[in-house]
Amino acid sequence: EAGVVQSPRYKIIEKKQPVAFWCNPISGHNTLYWYLQNLGQGPELLIRYENEEAVDDSQLPKDRFSAERLKGVDSTLKIQPAELGDSAVYLCASSLTGTGGGETQYFGPGTRLLVL
Amino acid sequence: GENVEQHPSTLSVQEGDSAVIKCTYSDSASNYFPWYKQELGKGPQLIIDIRSNVGEKKDQRIAVTLNKTAKHFSLHITETQPEDSAVYFCAASTRYGNKLVFGAGTILRVKS
Repeated sequence: EAGVVQSPRYKIIEKKQPVAFWCNPISGHNTLYWYLQNLGQGPELLIRYENEEAVDDSQLPKDRFSAERLKGVDSTLKIQPAELGDSAVYLCASSLTGTGGGETQYFGPGTRLLVL
Repeated sequence: GENVEQHPSTLSVQEGDSAVIKCTYSDSASNYFPWYKQELGKGPQLIIDIRSNVGEKKDQRIAVTLNKTAKHFSLHITETQPEDSAVYFCAASTRYGNKLVFGAGTILRVKS
């Protein structure tokens, strides 16, 4: 069974440019998560989707970040415009469900973003 | 909200020795505690987890213990091997919404 797929794996952009990350979760997983991981720290949740609905986006900086999961499968996370401080690893994870708690989350390899 | 603290931040052990990583959490409603291993350039991989109705769980060389009263849980790795070298993260989740809050991570180095 294929795991969580993310692309691109690496991205280098100049500040003020837009950037987008794509995630394909494990087949059949209804819940999708985007995490931010700064160097030397643990992942921090940005947004959680139940199917196509964003049910927890309280940590998403909405002035420059946006996300979508139009058909309840793939998801895209966008930053526009990017700032130097956005340099980090963006992780996508999925789980079967997310409403009951205690569901195992499976992570993708992440996209490493460097903003110059 | 939930806060998870993890210690130590780095840990060096000789091959064959045991390693112990400890975490504390703040939200008494937390009921799910996974441990992830992250190798360089890869995403976190679940290695073991425990739920609040269990005090200890073991899987070969890896074990996790949970003390709900004290709100802390620990990862134990026995007979460490060089391939155990990685960053280990603990996390805690409440029963509402499956939101994981992670510790800051422990860099484990196993010296051969």
